Amino acid sequence: GIQVEQSPPDLILQEGANSTLRCNFSDSVNNLQWFHQNPWGQLINLFYIPSGTKQNGRLSATTVATERYSLLYISSSQTTDSGVYFCAVASWGSARQLTFGSGTQLTVLP
Amino acid sequence: SAVISQKPSRDICQRGTSLTIQCQVDSQVTMMFWYRQQPGQSLTLIATANQGSEATYESGFVIDKFPISRPNLTFSTLTVSNMSPEDSSIYLCSVLGYPNEKLFFGSGTQLSVL
Repeated sequence: GIQVEQSPPDLILQEGANSTLRCNFSDSVNNLQWFHQNPWGQLINLFYIPSGTKQNGRLSATTVATERYSLLYISSSQTTDSGVYFCAVASWGSARQLTFGSGTQLTVLP
Repeated sequence: SAVISQKPSRDICQRGTSLTIQCQVDSQVTMMFWYRQQPGQSLTLIATANQGSEATYESGFVIDKFPISRPNLTFSTLTVSNMSPEDSSIYLCSVLGYPNEKLFFGSGTQLSVL
């Protein structure tokens, strides 16, 4: 099946700093999504972005499908951004089942 | 986005018993999935819950251990059978939106097996 690698595994920032999270995948995809799991375990869908660029407030994401990677940008980070960020992908013919990466644990310090 | 209610939110169970987790969606959805998240790990797909037919299980998961029902397009249950401490995990119900194919999750069930 498709492989998904996320980097870095851990990231510690001061409040107000910017960061970039990366997701590499091993095959062509027709679905790519970014999620945030808050410290209470709730998973929130941030972006559906199989290609191109999207922005939502301080967060933006870019997927370069031909080069098999996606980036999540967090600007002016806040303590509420802390948690785990997951990238998930589905390849053509996968019956729309998403495979999750191992995640990036983000800690934003006040 | 769909509103997904999952219960129980947490439970502590004895070895050898079974627990049934319920997932209710506020609208009809075609694709519904069950995921497991072991402590400190990522999410692993258990199965796709198919309406009116047997669930489709991923490698490493079997129907005898994780029976799934989906009687209609808004409801599903996952049973964790004959539990052992290794089953201690968060179990998550999820649905695929239409037409944008975004995946939405319930709040999860935190299961601890003693």
